[in-house]
Amino acid sequence: AQSVSQHNHHVILSEAASLELGCNYSYGGTVNLFWYVQYPGQHLQLLLKYFSGDPLVKGIKGFEAEFIKSKFSFNLRKPSVQWSDTAEYFCAVKGNNRLAFGKGNQVVVIP
Amino acid sequence: GAGVSQSPSNKVTEKGKDVELRCDPISGHTALYWYRQSLGQGLEFLIYFQGNSAPDKSGLPSDRFSAERTGGSVSTLTIQRTQQEDSAVYLCASSNAQLTTNEKLFFGSGTQLSVL
Repeated sequence: AQSVSQHNHHVILSEAASLELGCNYSYGGTVNLFWYVQYPGQHLQLLLKYFSGDPLVKGIKGFEAEFIKSKFSFNLRKPSVQWSDTAEYFCAVKGNNRLAFGKGNQVVVIP
Repeated sequence: GAGVSQSPSNKVTEKGKDVELRCDPISGHTALYWYRQSLGQGLEFLIYFQGNSAPDKSGLPSDRFSAERTGGSVSTLTIQRTQQEDSAVYLCASSNAQLTTNEKLFFGSGTQLSVL
């Protein structure tokens, strides 16, 4: 069965700092990868996704993620965060009729 | 409505009672998922419905949990004889699985279940 591992569950950083959230997956089939974000008081929503092609994926709000097959990784990055990026971020891998999610990263950006 | 609707938004119940949680997916979406979100545990898959096919129940944690989807639309998740460890946010999501390159899930706002 597929699984996802996320590191550094709690991240606190200042505005303009760079952010990188690690995601490692385990799945033996065709890999479809996702990052979802949950802003305070809001629904989970899609940030970006990888299906095929260019392993560097651009998403909304200046986020990007790089699929590195040899490392089974799909790390999320943003060069300069804003206070509004405070949220919980979930990495997910698709397989077997479902998305398997990681435990999430709680990110707090201090103004 | 335009999004996935869940009700109630909050449910407080006593241990041993049964609860029903409701999900109205986006109109036309054939796929419907239930997930459970516990503090620090991420999202745990519970069950998946796709059209008229038999549901994938492999994520249900015990036989106290069941779900149905009537008419390919509204879904109800039932928890019998609730236990304190059932306390969590129960999330419903739907997608248009006919778009094979767009596996985006649309989530509802969830039901916060508290078992006292």
